[in-house]
Amino acid sequence: AQSVAQPEDQVNVAEGNPLTVKCTYSVSGNPYLFWYVQYPNRGLQFLLKYITGDNLVKGSYGFEAEFNKSQTSFHLKKPSALVSDSALYFCAVRVTGTASKLTFGTGTRLQVTL
Amino acid sequence: NAGVTQTPKFQVLKTGQSMTLQCAQDMNHEYMSWYRQDPGMGLRLIHYSVGAGITDQGEVPNGYNVSRSTTEDFPLRLLSAAPSQTSVYFCASSYSGLGSSRQETQYFGPGTRLLVL
Repeated sequence: AQSVAQPEDQVNVAEGNPLTVKCTYSVSGNPYLFWYVQYPNRGLQFLLKYITGDNLVKGSYGFEAEFNKSQTSFHLKKPSALVSDSALYFCAVRVTGTASKLTFGTGTRLQVTL
Repeated sequence: NAGVTQTPKFQVLKTGQSMTLQCAQDMNHEYMSWYRQDPGMGLRLIHYSVGAGITDQGEVPNGYNVSRSTTEDFPLRLLSAAPSQTSVYFCASSYSGLGSSRQETQYFGPGTRLLVL
């Protein structure tokens, strides 16, 4: 069965510094990987998606993610963090053999401070 | 487009009561799903539907029922609420498949916060 792991419950970074939110996956076949962000009291918003091709995927709000097949990772990155990036981030993988089911990680809270 | 809408935003129930969480989307999406979000556990799939008249169980279906009589609506029913069902519930929708287009993704509603006493 497919799964994703987000090993950090919380990531703290100073504004202006680069940020990385980690995600590793386990799936048979080619993975479709997603990152979502959740702001307080809101639903999840789509950031980016890896399907195939370039290992560096660019998404919304200046975020990007690097797909690494050998390390089965899909880390979310941003070159310069903003206080407004503080939120809960979820990694997800499409369930193998289904068209639209997603399995989510447990989430990582990003805290960006001045 | 209103996107995915959910009502109510917040609800308090007593153990044993029943209620229906409403979800609607105006994007003509075939696929709809219900998740619950609990601290430290991420989102877990309760039920999903791949089209009107077709539903199936997700990871945590016990205690919940669904039906899909129209493309637009996908209500979630709690027949006899229990404190373990205290959670935040999200409805999501997408086109028929999360396939090779970078734009194919799930769209989430704002959530319903449920407290069962």
